[in-house]
Amino acid sequence: DAKTTQPNSMESNEEEPVHLPCNHSTISGTDYIHWYRQLPSQGPEYVIHGLTSNVNNRMASLAIAEDRKSSTLILHRATLRDAAVYYCILPSNRDDKIIFGKGTRLHILP
Amino acid sequence: NAGVTQTPKFQVLKTGQSMTLQCAQDMNHEYMSWYRQDPGMGLRLIHYSVGAGITDQGEVPNGYNVSRSTTEDFPLRLLSAAPSQTSVYFCASSYSRGGRYEQFFGPGTRLTVL
Repeated sequence: DAKTTQPNSMESNEEEPVHLPCNHSTISGTDYIHWYRQLPSQGPEYVIHGLTSNVNNRMASLAIAEDRKSSTLILHRATLRDAAVYYCILPSNRDDKIIFGKGTRLHILP
Repeated sequence: NAGVTQTPKFQVLKTGQSMTLQCAQDMNHEYMSWYRQDPGMGLRLIHYSVGAGITDQGEVPNGYNVSRSTTEDFPLRLLSAAPSQTSVYFCASSYSRGGRYEQFFGPGTRLTVL
């Protein structure tokens, strides 16, 4: 799997947008970009994924750089319930191992 | 759909004991995997399977065995439990390999080895 790099932690104010970055400079053309989050004491849950184009769903938006070497998860209006660890991973059909890094711990300030 | 289910939710073992952590999914998913998460750490891949009868090792396979005799079930066996295996274990499944589809995670099994 290609490696991803994320900041260890970020803070944001409640009701403001949050932009969580992920660098993946060794990404290959067939690697999808997935985002998951893990709320305290829970299992990971899927947030969003994409290949080349930006993606939106009810939870978030995913902005993918034109060269695909980085991406940004956008939470449009953060709530206290969004405080979690966010993981950016790159599942690949070249290697079936789906490896998680340390993720970004997002703190939301009321 | 029940999604991904794991049993038991909690387990305490003594060093040297063996046990099986159960994982089942009812979504006809091809890809299944096991992760462990130590306190304050990220997830590490133990074993994975791309279909019934096919399994392979992940990042930290030592001390664990798996088998996949059906599409639905992917049990994880601890052969001789050690305190270093104290962790939370998560099972996950996806419709297929390759990242085109999202992964679904179970609620986890919290294992303590004394």
